[in-house]
Amino acid sequence: AQKITQTQPGMFVQEKEAVTLDCTYDTSDQSYGLFWYKQPSSGEMIFLIYQGSYDEQNATEGRYSLNFQKARKSANLVISASQLGDSAMYFCAPSLGGKLIFGQGTELSVKP
Amino acid sequence: DADVTQTPRNRITKTGKRIMLECSQTKGHDRMYWYRQDPGLGLRLIYYSFDVKDINKGEISDGYSVSRQAQAKFSLSLESAIPNQTALYFCATREQGYPYGYTFGSGTRLTVV
Repeated sequence: AQKITQTQPGMFVQEKEAVTLDCTYDTSDQSYGLFWYKQPSSGEMIFLIYQGSYDEQNATEGRYSLNFQKARKSANLVISASQLGDSAMYFCAPSLGGKLIFGQGTELSVKP
Repeated sequence: DADVTQTPRNRITKTGKRIMLECSQTKGHDRMYWYRQDPGLGLRLIYYSFDVKDINKGEISDGYSVSRQAQAKFSLSLESAIPNQTALYFCATREQGYPYGYTFGSGTRLTVV
């Protein structure tokens, strides 16, 4: 079975600082997409950023960037200049075999 | 209106009852999915459908069934609800073109008592 590992169940970061959320995955697929989602306490799933496995450059979307290392099967999310509103659960989710497979998530708390 | 609409938003039901969760989409996507989320955990795939005639079991399909009534509608049924099916349920669709992104509904919070 494909396994997605987010090793940090909970993290704290000071407001305005950067934070990196780790994600590794296990797949033999060569072509896939990597997604990160944010889930605030209200429960909705908010898309943050996408990286294609053949994209040569790491993806960026505003304050979000993805540190993608295909050989290591690693796709870490970097949030720059953290804001209080960034406090939420964050999920790494590769799309494998046409299905989105989720990690267990990292709960991020931003401290003022 | 939301692109992916789930009804109901919240539901409390009794053990042994049959319940249907509905999902409809206006995005014209062929691929639809049902996920379940237990507290503090990631989403797990229950069923998925690549088109109206193609329905597949996911990781945790036992106790659930689905119906794809049309391209736009994908319903999830709990034939005989049990308390450990208490969870947040999400429906999602997938784009047919790059980057093949997924759009989620707002979720249905189901409690089985």
